[in-house]
Amino acid sequence: DQQVKQNSPSLSVQEGRISILNCDYTNSMFDYFLWYKKYPAEGPTFLISISSIKDKNEDGRFTVFLNKSAKHLSLHIVPSQPGDSAVYFCAASGYSGTYKYIFGTGTRLKVLA
Amino acid sequence: EPEVTQTPSHQVTQMGQEVILRCVPISNHLYFYWYRQILGQKVEFLVSFYNNEISEKSEIFDDQFSVERPDGSNFTLKIRSTKLEDSAMYFCASKQGVGEEKLFFGSGTQLSVL
Repeated sequence: DQQVKQNSPSLSVQEGRISILNCDYTNSMFDYFLWYKKYPAEGPTFLISISSIKDKNEDGRFTVFLNKSAKHLSLHIVPSQPGDSAVYFCAASGYSGTYKYIFGTGTRLKVLA
Repeated sequence: EPEVTQTPSHQVTQMGQEVILRCVPISNHLYFYWYRQILGQKVEFLVSFYNNEISEKSEIFDDQFSVERPDGSNFTLKIRSTKLEDSAMYFCASKQGVGEEKLFFGSGTQLSVL
């Protein structure tokens, strides 16, 4: 049962342009969403998060949008830089006793110089 | 910034052997997790741990797996009798408190079962 889905396994974007990474979820009990960036052979690194009481959160070049009715969130990176090339995971949590975080399958972003 | 530390970075073992993966969570964190990622696949939840006991575990976390916080700083994952399909990158993570907080991950232990 894949509760968090990232339907695009990969994305290529030119340097300086916008990168948009998408994530869908099925569990309406999720109330907190996070994006992580991961390089090979390293642990996921936190990027940005959003609570279900908001529909947008911005941090520098990164903005996360949440559409609760569509159960959809997206991460916008503007402007994209070659150093942004990595695998991006969205994750979701909701109280199930432990705030377990469920990860999506990841999207590999390649920013072309 | 404080870090979650995992050792070893690589572990090679024979099928049927026991392995212990070690983690030192961030010192004031209270919630601890193990995740794993099989090559090319998603990051999968294994187990969460709070107040010296397992809070929740996934279907993957069967009787061959156990976790322990033996001394107040280390957090270990033991696999009693490894199988080929246990080969994966294992990540330890921690967070400070209950509620909406980010998880901090370690850099992982690559386990290879031969």
